[in-house]
Amino acid sequence: DAGVIQSPRHEVTEMGQEVTLRCKPISGHNSLFWYRQTMMRGLELLIYFNNNVPIDDSGMPEDRFSAKMPNASFSTLKIQPSEPRDSAVYFCASRKTETYEQYFGPGTRLTVT
Amino acid sequence: GEDVEQSLFLSVREGDSSVINCTYTDSSSTYLYWYKQEPGAGLQLLTYIFSNMDMKQDQRLTVLLNKKDKHLSLRIADTQTGDSAIYFCAESRSGNTPLVFGKGTRLSVIA
Repeated sequence: DAGVIQSPRHEVTEMGQEVTLRCKPISGHNSLFWYRQTMMRGLELLIYFNNNVPIDDSGMPEDRFSAKMPNASFSTLKIQPSEPRDSAVYFCASRKTETYEQYFGPGTRLTVT
Repeated sequence: GEDVEQSLFLSVREGDSSVINCTYTDSSSTYLYWYKQEPGAGLQLLTYIFSNMDMKQDQRLTVLLNKKDKHLSLRIADTQTGDSAIYFCAESRSGNTPLVFGKGTRLSVIA
């Protein structure tokens, strides 16, 4: 299996622009998680889906952030408009309920100037 | 609320054993995990243990769980320079609830 796939790996954008991060979970996994990692705050859970349904989005910082999972093999995290404080590494992870093993993608390093 | 605590730094000499400690507060924790993150990379699942187990061994890695004290440890035998990384402890209540992570322990291995 290819593992969790994220794109792009690096994104540099200007403040005010829209940013879309993409994730393809491992085939057969039914839970998907979006995290953000910064030096100051560590690893934060933003939102997670079970069977494509958003379960808890209380970690999403503001209304500028939105996430979708239109099908079992694809999810997006969108920031509109982006701000410099959104600069971080964004990770997607997926898990199959029965196995309890959660796997992370390589992350997207976002820099907002 | 749920909380996972780890010491931030650990330094060991190559060939020695490393022990990374973690404490958690949620008595409903059912699954406890150890992840490794190398610079510029994602989190790699190293091992996990169910709360009804006391110990799990996998090659150079030994996980010990003291459920009464809510204490988890990861022992790395014969530590190598390639083991230098940040190690995260995490806990979860069930198979489809989010993992709660500690802030990570940075392991430095001195040659």
